[in-house]
Amino acid sequence: AQSVTQPDIHITVSEGASLELRCNYSYGATPYLFWYVQSPGQGLQLLLKYFSGDTLVQGIKGFEAEFKRSQSSFNLRKPSVHWSDAAEYFCAVGAYNQGGKLIFGQGTELSVKP
Amino acid sequence: EADIYQTPRYLVIGTGKKITLECSQTMGHDKMYWYQQDPGMELHLIHYSYGVNSTEKGDLSSESTVSRIRTEHFPLTLESARPSHTSQYLCASSEQARGYTFGSGTRLTVV
Repeated sequence: AQSVTQPDIHITVSEGASLELRCNYSYGATPYLFWYVQSPGQGLQLLLKYFSGDTLVQGIKGFEAEFKRSQSSFNLRKPSVHWSDAAEYFCAVGAYNQGGKLIFGQGTELSVKP
Repeated sequence: EADIYQTPRYLVIGTGKKITLECSQTMGHDKMYWYQQDPGMELHLIHYSYGVNSTEKGDLSSESTVSRIRTEHFPLTLESARPSHTSQYLCASSEQARGYTFGSGTRLTVV
């Protein structure tokens, strides 16, 4: 069955520290992958996406993610977290033969300590 | 700036009322989606559409209905609201394999 797992429900990091949010997927077809961010009471904003090519992708707000096919992972990273990064982060997976539908992970809530 | 618009942003309504949540996009996307999300929880697909006059139910069973008479418009209707319908409803649209653009959501409270 197709699934997306974000193992960490809640992560707290100090401002200025590095961040890595984990995402693992199980998908029969060649996937394309996304990370979205959601501030409280808001919709989701696209951070970055991977379709093919270079497995390290750059996104907005200083985020990057690396696709590792052998590990079925697409982890999100940021070298130095800012207080404004506190939000909910969702990983999502789709495939070209799925008509554009995405499967979302459960989300990881990020808190940032001053 | 948003290219997909949801109204209202917040709605408090009494049990038994009929409500329609509006969603419109200006990007000409064929594919549109409705998700239901409880606070701090994952997103559940409740309806989707691949074009005009095409609607399908999603993975989560919902008492709501949708219509797609125009490409840009994908409203969701609840004929008789109940407290169990209290949630946030997110609308999204996409081009093939390009990912979703989300609206800001409608937070519905049924009292």
